[in-house]
Amino acid sequence: NAGVTQTPKFQVLKTGQSMTLQCAQDMNHEYMSWYRQDPGMGLRLIHYSVGAGITDQGEVPNGYNVSRSTTEDFPLRLLSAAPSQTSVYFCASSYSRGGDLHFGNGTRLTVT
Amino acid sequence: GQQVMQIPQYQHVQEGEDFTTYCNSSTTLSNIQWYKQRPGGHPVFLIQLVKSGEVKKQKRLTFQFGEAKKNSSLHITATQTTDVGTYFCAGRGRDDKIIFGKGTRLHILP
Repeated sequence: NAGVTQTPKFQVLKTGQSMTLQCAQDMNHEYMSWYRQDPGMGLRLIHYSVGAGITDQGEVPNGYNVSRSTTEDFPLRLLSAAPSQTSVYFCASSYSRGGDLHFGNGTRLTVT
Repeated sequence: GQQVMQIPQYQHVQEGEDFTTYCNSSTTLSNIQWYKQRPGGHPVFLIQLVKSGEVKKQKRLTFQFGEAKKNSSLHITATQTTDVGTYFCAGRGRDDKIIFGKGTRLHILP
């Protein structure tokens, strides 16, 4: 099993550009989520999904969109990148709402 | 909204000393989870506590969940160099949001 796969590993964007961070899991997990990690700020929840077709906002959703058309995939879209979105992004999934999170290896994003 | 506070932010200990990190939530939690992140890596699940007053042990690690299900602690006995990393607590609220504390970075002095 691959677990949680995130692509790309690294990305550099210019201010105003858009892009999609991909996240896929092959464990048939219902719950998926996106976090950003910044120095001294821990992991902050951006968006999460409790199942296909259902998404909800986390702590810091502004500037990000998500969709959950399948159980396996949970892409994160940056509509117009800003330097404040420079961060490491982690996708995580769990089998159920009460389960432990399995993290991907992260995407390091720099916005100039 | 739900907030999870974790202290201390940093901790330096001599190898062999004990270490404790504390976690407090602004709201009652459905459960609390603990994760460890090594430098350059991703968070890895350690344990989950669900019941009020629950205590769980994993070798040298002891985890506690408060009676009110709003606080938790992780205690490491006789630290080793392999314990280096950042330890995060994560609280799950009734709305299924899993909110992380800011973490405690543990440094081990040989």
